[in-house]
Amino acid sequence: NAGVMQNPRHLVRRRGQEARLRCSPMKGHSHVYWYRQLPEEGLKFMVYLQKENIIDESGMPKERFSAEFPKEGPSILRIQQVVRGDSAAYFCASSPLRVGNSPLHFGNGTRLTVT
Amino acid sequence: AQTVTQSQPEMSVQEAETVTLSCTYDTSENNYYLFWYKQPPSRQMILVIRQEAYKQQNATENRFSVNFQKAAKSFSLKISDSQLGDTAMYFCAFIPSRENTDKLIFGTGTRLQVFP
Repeated sequence: NAGVMQNPRHLVRRRGQEARLRCSPMKGHSHVYWYRQLPEEGLKFMVYLQKENIIDESGMPKERFSAEFPKEGPSILRIQQVVRGDSAAYFCASSPLRVGNSPLHFGNGTRLTVT
Repeated sequence: AQTVTQSQPEMSVQEAETVTLSCTYDTSENNYYLFWYKQPPSRQMILVIRQEAYKQQNATENRFSVNFQKAAKSFSLKISDSQLGDTAMYFCAFIPSRENTDKLIFGTGTRLQVFP
């Protein structure tokens, strides 16, 4: 059973461009979480999705950021008009149930660099 | 506010020795889940150990064990017989069980270096 797959592993964008980060959860997992890790900091929650639904986006910046988890295909975190402050590692995690009852499986992250 | 504090930015230990990483948290909840995650240079987040607050017995996983002091809101990680492969960032995290969205709240991490 493959783990959580994130791609690309590294992404470089110029200011003003769009960044699309993809996450395929583990097979059988219907809960997806996105976290952001700034340099020398812990992970910060961004958004929690189930298939076709955003359950909690309280950690998402109000502008330029959006996330989806369609019925078919990977979850996508989209950042429009990127700025230097968006440079970070973005982690996706999945679980089959509420994470308190089952471990959260993380992907290897996508490191976004905005130049 | 619910927070996690890791007061040791960096720690070092010699191979085969024991090291303890500290973690304190703040919550008004009575039930919650606590975790330690390891992040090696590969950047992958690996679950090391998990503790449920309503269980008094401290969790153990091979060489890893916790000292959970609920009244003190303390959740330290002990690594016995340290190995070079234990070199990594270690993050303490928790989830209030009342939350429906299971947002993990992370500390800022402790960088552990194991020396030969």
